[in-house]
Amino acid sequence: AQTVTQSQPEMSVQEAETVTLSCTYDTSENNYYLFWYKQPPSRQMILVIRQEAYKQQNATENRFSVNFQKAAKSFSLKISDSQLGDTAMYFCAFMKHGGNQFYFGTGTSLTVIP
Amino acid sequence: DAGVIQSPRHEVTEMGQEVTLRCKPISGHNSLFWYRQTMMRGLELLIYFNNNVPIDDSGMPEDRFSAKMPNASFSTLKIQPSEPRDSAVYFCASSLGGSDTQYFGPGTRLTVL
Repeated sequence: AQTVTQSQPEMSVQEAETVTLSCTYDTSENNYYLFWYKQPPSRQMILVIRQEAYKQQNATENRFSVNFQKAAKSFSLKISDSQLGDTAMYFCAFMKHGGNQFYFGTGTSLTVIP
Repeated sequence: DAGVIQSPRHEVTEMGQEVTLRCKPISGHNSLFWYRQTMMRGLELLIYFNNNVPIDDSGMPEDRFSAKMPNASFSTLKIQPSEPRDSAVYFCASSLGGSDTQYFGPGTRLTVL
């Protein structure tokens, strides 16, 4: 079975600063996908970024980037130039290649302080 | 382009009543997922469909829960009879299938009194 661990239940960051959210996972699969989803107070689950395990290059989406360390089974999310609208719960998720099921972490609640 | 649509957005009902949650996936997507989110258990996959066929319903908590997908553009999750412990946010998500990204609806907040 796959497990996803987010060890930081809550974090805060000053507006315009950079913050890194951590995520580790456990799997015996070699090919898989990793995701970060954002859930603001509106409750909507919004895809932030996706990484394919076979790609060595770290995924980036504007101010969001990941540090994917396959050997260490680590998948952290870096948010640069934090904005108030980044305040949300962030979930890390794993999906094995060819699979349909997400395995979610327990989430990190991020607050951006003005 | 419309995303996943769920209705109702909020539902308050009394214990013992039947509750039906509805979902319209993104057009062209052939996989549909129902999740439940609670503070205690986080996000749980209840069931998913591929091409309208239920593939894995091992997450459905009890026989009181049932889900259907009569066509590619509509699914329902029914709870009968409802209990207070069913209070949660229920999400529907859809994807193109395979290992494609899942896109979530806005959720239905269910409160069972």
